[in-house]
Amino acid sequence: QVQLQESGPGLVKPSETLSLTCIVSGDSVSANYWSWIRQPPGKGLEWIGYFSYTGATNYSPSLKSRVTISVDTSKNQFSLKLTSVTAADTAVYYCTKGSGNKALDYWGQGTLVTVS
Amino acid sequence: QSVLTQPPSASGTPGQRVTISCSGTSSDIGSFTVHWYQQLPGAAPRLLIYNGNQRPSGVPGRFSSSRSGTSASLAISGLQSEDEADYYCAAWHDSLQGPVFGGGTKLTVL
Repeated sequence: QVQLQESGPGLVKPSETLSLTCIVSGDSVSANYWSWIRQPPGKGLEWIGYFSYTGATNYSPSLKSRVTISVDTSKNQFSLKLTSVTAADTAVYYCTKGSGNKALDYWGQGTLVTVS
Repeated sequence: QSVLTQPPSASGTPGQRVTISCSGTSSDIGSFTVHWYQQLPGAAPRLLIYNGNQRPSGVPGRFSSSRSGTSASLAISGLQSEDEADYYCAAWHDSLQGPVFGGGTKLTVL
């Protein structure tokens, strides 16, 4: 069974960098593709970016200048860095696994990050 | 503002059949398969329907989906109280090269 677990600070100051890690078990980050999705309180889902087993990464145009997604295959985990955060970046952040048809078939439980 | 358009709310009584629509463009729904996610209160979203009308293990057959042109819909038959949740449609977007989501539909079981 594939499991994903987000970890990182729950509170980040404005203008600082948000850093989260997703630990994966039951599958290898060297296969499939892995994404970060966020959900502001009371709002809908927003794609942040992904990296794929091919080594390619892609980011949402609205966040591209501030986002980096990286992978550590030795630890079977991947990470998100979002720089220069503002209150608008307050959200629950989910790490997800994507299948070949681009469906997000496994999700972490999510972690709330507050910018204040 | 979400790329795909869903009604913000829907409702039905137990046993009823309800449908939730999702409208997009030729760059997303018109070109790629639609996936649906269910988010129960306080929980992470879970994949409900993929590849247009496939259900992951554990998802009841009461859930089905269809697509026509640049629109799709989710149908829930035999509505049950545990179906009360937020439902999101999603599809790959050609130029973004990433998934786009609908704004979500809050389903209330009366």
